[in-house]
Amino acid sequence: DAGVIQSPRHEVTEMGQEVTLRCKPISGHDYLFWYRQTMMRGLELLIYFNNNVPIDDSGMPEDRFSAKMPNASFSTLKIQPSEPRDSAVYFCASKPGQGKGFNYGYTFGSGTRLTVV
Amino acid sequence: AQTVTQSQPEMSVQEAETVTLSCTYDTSESDYYLFWYKQPPSRQMILVIRQEAYKQQNATENRFSVNFQKAAKSFSLKISDSQLGDAAMYFCAYRTLFGNEKLTFGTGTRLTIIP
Repeated sequence: DAGVIQSPRHEVTEMGQEVTLRCKPISGHDYLFWYRQTMMRGLELLIYFNNNVPIDDSGMPEDRFSAKMPNASFSTLKIQPSEPRDSAVYFCASKPGQGKGFNYGYTFGSGTRLTVV
Repeated sequence: AQTVTQSQPEMSVQEAETVTLSCTYDTSESDYYLFWYKQPPSRQMILVIRQEAYKQQNATENRFSVNFQKAAKSFSLKISDSQLGDAAMYFCAYRTLFGNEKLTFGTGTRLTIIP
């Protein structure tokens, strides 16, 4: 298995531009999570999906952030417009559903380092 | 809300020695999961070990073991025979047994291995 695949690995963009981060979860995993890691706030959950449906988006910082999961093998996190304070590492993770190793921890992707200048 | 505290921002250990990383948490729930994740310089978050709160036996994975003290809400990680490849940030995390699938992370401990 290729694991959770995120792209791009690095992204540098100018303030005000739209940024789209992509994630391909492990095949067969029912849960997908987006986390953000910063020095100030550590690792914080932004949103998670179960069977492509958003379950908890309480961590999405503001309306500039949106996440979609159009099918079981793909998710995007979009920031529009981007701001310097959005600079962080964004992780995607996935987890099996009930009866498929459900109680194990997540499998994380390698993250996208976003720099907004 | 649950909180996870790692009070040691940095730790160091001589190669081949044993080191213990501390983690405490606060919860009103009786059943939950606890995890230790490793983040090496490559940035990848790697699951090291997990513990179910309803199990009294401490989890062990090769050189990694935990000391789970439920009453004290403590969940420390012991690394035996430390190796250079163990150098990384280590994060303790909590997840409820039922309901929200969110992992709540501590702030991490940076572990340095001294050759």
